[in-house]
Amino acid sequence: NAGVMQNPRHLVRRRGQEARLRCSPMKGHSHVYWYRQLPEEGLKFMVYLQKENIIDESGMPKERFSAEFPKEGPSILRIQQVVRGDSAAYFCASSSSPGHRYEQYFGPGTRLTVT
Amino acid sequence: EDKVVQSPLSLVVHEGDTVTLNCSYEVTNFRSLLWYKQEKKAPTFLFMLTSSGIEKKSGRLSSILDKKELFSILNITATQTGDSAVYLCAVGDMRFGAGTRLTVKP
Repeated sequence: NAGVMQNPRHLVRRRGQEARLRCSPMKGHSHVYWYRQLPEEGLKFMVYLQKENIIDESGMPKERFSAEFPKEGPSILRIQQVVRGDSAAYFCASSSSPGHRYEQYFGPGTRLTVT
Repeated sequence: EDKVVQSPLSLVVHEGDTVTLNCSYEVTNFRSLLWYKQEKKAPTFLFMLTSSGIEKKSGRLSSILDKKELFSILNITATQTGDSAVYLCAVGDMRFGAGTRLTVKP
């Protein structure tokens, strides 16, 4: 009974490159959430997706960031033209239904380092 | 703007001590308050509180919510070194506080 899976666990990118972070929710979960945690700061909500739909992207930066959760396959958080300030831990969480939105299970995170 | 404030920001205690962590909030659309424990990696869910005055318990951990005064407390009794972690509180549309870093010394 695998939990939420994220890969890669560590990602190093040079400034200007693209970063792609993947998240596979827990079995039976169709709701995915992405969070960013900057060094020494709390978690900040970025985006909430269901299969093929973005439900709430109020926490996503307006430029360079995008997220998708296709019908098949993992959810992807894409950061284009990365900058040093994008260096952070990115966590994905999943829940089983909107009614359980607040009972989220987190993945291990992807640590992005931009050099 | 929604706000979640946790205190203290850090706390150092010795094994066996009891600790109380605080979370106060101002949110426009309160549905529930959640507590998470974050060790080296991902947060793990502890409690979800929706009603005032009802204590939730899990072993040595307990939590209670006061919706009138807009805060919650997380208590840990007989602390152990394994309780060392950052404890996060989240309210509303998953707005997290900055966390309380608890260190339990042997």
